[in-house]
Amino acid sequence: DIQMTQSPSSLSASVGDRVTITCRASQSIRGHLNWYQQKPGKAPKLLIYTASSLQSGVPLRFSGSGSGTDFTLTISSLQSEDFATYYCQQSYTTPRTFGQGTKLEIK
Amino acid sequence: QVTLKESGPALVKPTQTLTLTCTFSGFSLSTSGMRVSWIRQPPGKALEWLARIDWDDDKFYSTSLKTRLTISKDTSKNQVVLTMTNMDPVDTATYYCARDGGDLGVDPWGQGTLVTVSS
Repeated sequence: DIQMTQSPSSLSASVGDRVTITCRASQSIRGHLNWYQQKPGKAPKLLIYTASSLQSGVPLRFSGSGSGTDFTLTISSLQSEDFATYYCQQSYTTPRTFGQGTKLEIK
Repeated sequence: QVTLKESGPALVKPTQTLTLTCTFSGFSLSTSGMRVSWIRQPPGKALEWLARIDWDDDKFYSTSLKTRLTISKDTSKNQVVLTMTNMDPVDTATYYCARDGGDLGVDPWGQGTLVTVSS
């Protein structure tokens, strides 16, 4: 199975900050990487697919980049509604695998 | 509008078999390219992908759980069923079904159903 490793596991930031979350795959997944946002008690929500494509309705402050084994999710200017847990997932092969999550908290 | 909803028991005893049903609308699993996945999340922990069924009845399973899982579909009812045998307290989790768009990501997700394994 392909292992997905996110860093950091948790992150404290302030409204207006620029934040970057990293996801590393244990082997090349080319550009087959998706990002999800999950708020407490809610189902995950798709933010970005194929590494850099923004899902419809997702604010432009979210962006993704990377290919091969290293990927990043960037939030250009944090808003209060962005405090949540973020997960990466590879869609290169089955079984699909998720990262362990990055919890973004208010500083 | 695509929606999915999970249903099943909230409580199961250890060693029992869990059966969960995902009822969806807004798409058909007989349409080429359509897929439905099951994903679970233990309380306070990360997401774990469990299984997927495709429009052509191809089935895929988690490596660690494949001996315990069975996924099936009833296209006429717009339902996908997941069974998990030999349930254990560590299987306590919220179980989600979702439309799997392949490279387009998993979207949307159902609201999830919490399953507790306890005697």
